Formats: sequence, structure tokens, C-alpha cells
Amino acid sequence: GDSVTQMEGPVTLSEEAFLTINCTYTATGYPSLFWYVQYPGEGLQLLLKATKADDKGSNKGFEATYRKETTSFHLEKGSVQVSDSAVYFCALSNTGFQKLVFGTGTRLLVSP
Amino acid sequence: KAGVTQTPRYLIKTRGQQVTLSCSPISGHRSVSWYQQTPGQGLQFLFEYFSETQRNKGNFPGRFSGRQFSNSRSEMNVSTLELGDSALYLCASSSRRNMDRGWTNEKLFFGSGTQLSVL
Repeated sequence: GDSVTQMEGPVTLSEEAFLTINCTYTATGYPSLFWYVQYPGEGLQLLLKATKADDKGSNKGFEATYRKETTSFHLEKGSVQVSDSAVYFCALSNTGFQKLVFGTGTRLLVSP
Repeated sequence: KAGVTQTPRYLIKTRGQQVTLSCSPISGHRSVSWYQQTPGQGLQFLFEYFSETQRNKGNFPGRFSGRQFSNSRSEMNVSTLELGDSALYLCASSSRRNMDRGWTNEKLFFGSGTQLSVL
């Protein structure tokens, strides 16, 4: 079945450092890919998405490119802030945006 | 516009009991999905309802059930609770439009969840 693999956390960075969180997937067909973020005590928020190969999703300084050849969708940000501290989930969908397959999540901790 | 509202926020039950969780979607949204989040299994899709009909279902036992009302509000029920059912249950809503070439997909908006503890 479809699956998503994310790098283990936590990822600990200093403010203004460069962020990469790796995500690879296994799926039939051409899934849509997503990054969601979960702040403490809150539900998930869609951070960005890409629906076809070579698409780049971007939002709030975060970017991820849909790479079909490497089945990857790595999340990057050039300069992280303390407020970016959260858990980040990579996800895919083959059957509509409502039914998502999530990775295990990567906790990001940013210190001043 | 109010967000997705889930009630109650916290719930404590004992094994063998049953529980009902409620979700009110964003006004105008007709699709409601449910997810279970646990430290061990992560986020797993339970089911999705649209226009009072279950449209998609995940791999959970029949003890997990749901329904949707005509106003799009949804409830999920877990019967004969087990310790392993302790989890954060998240509800998400989206609008879903039927266009000539088929269904389109809209962004999911998640609620803050109901934290269920089974003792």
C-alpha cells in the first residue's frame, strides 16, 4: 500500500539556520503530496502542497518540490525562526485530499 | 468564519465503555474526515463522510463508526473501548464540489482534536 517515510526527529537548529526535512514516498500512480504542521495543542494546518511532478509548493518561506524520479518531497526553509518550532508531517493522497497517508512526523526545535 | 469545532476537548473512559465524539465543520463545508493520532501508529485515516454518506473508510475494526447529519455535523462512536484506543481524534472538513469531469479536491481544515484516554 501507499506509505510515507520521514526523517526521525527531533531536528534541533539555531535561529536563522537552514532547514531540510526529508520525505520519501511509495505510491501507485501519481499522488498529490503535502506538508502539514502541528503546533502544540492544535490540529494540523496545511503548509504547502504539490499535485504533479516537478511542482514546487511554497508558503511562509517553506518550499518543497515534487520529485517523481526520486519519489521525494523534501521540506526546506532558508532561515528558521523560533516560531517555526512544531511537528511537521509529510503526507500523500491518491484518492482525494480527504484521505491522506501521513508520515510519522518530525519535531523541529528552534532555539534563539 | 469559525473553524472546525470538536467536542469534548478531553475525555476519560474505562475499558468496555463506549464514547461519542462530535465535530462541527466550517460553515458551508460538506465533507468531514476523521483521523486517529497515536505516538505509536501516527496519524491514520478513519473515515470520510459527505452528504450524510460514508465515502471512504480506513482499516479500523467495526467498533469504530460514524455518521453525518443533514447540517454536515459529524459524530464518531467507538464501542467496547480498549486501552489501545487512547489517542487524539482529529476531525477535518473541506468543501467538495462535483464538477462535470468529476470531484474536485479542496484543502482540509483540521480541528484541535479530542484527547481520549482509556483507563
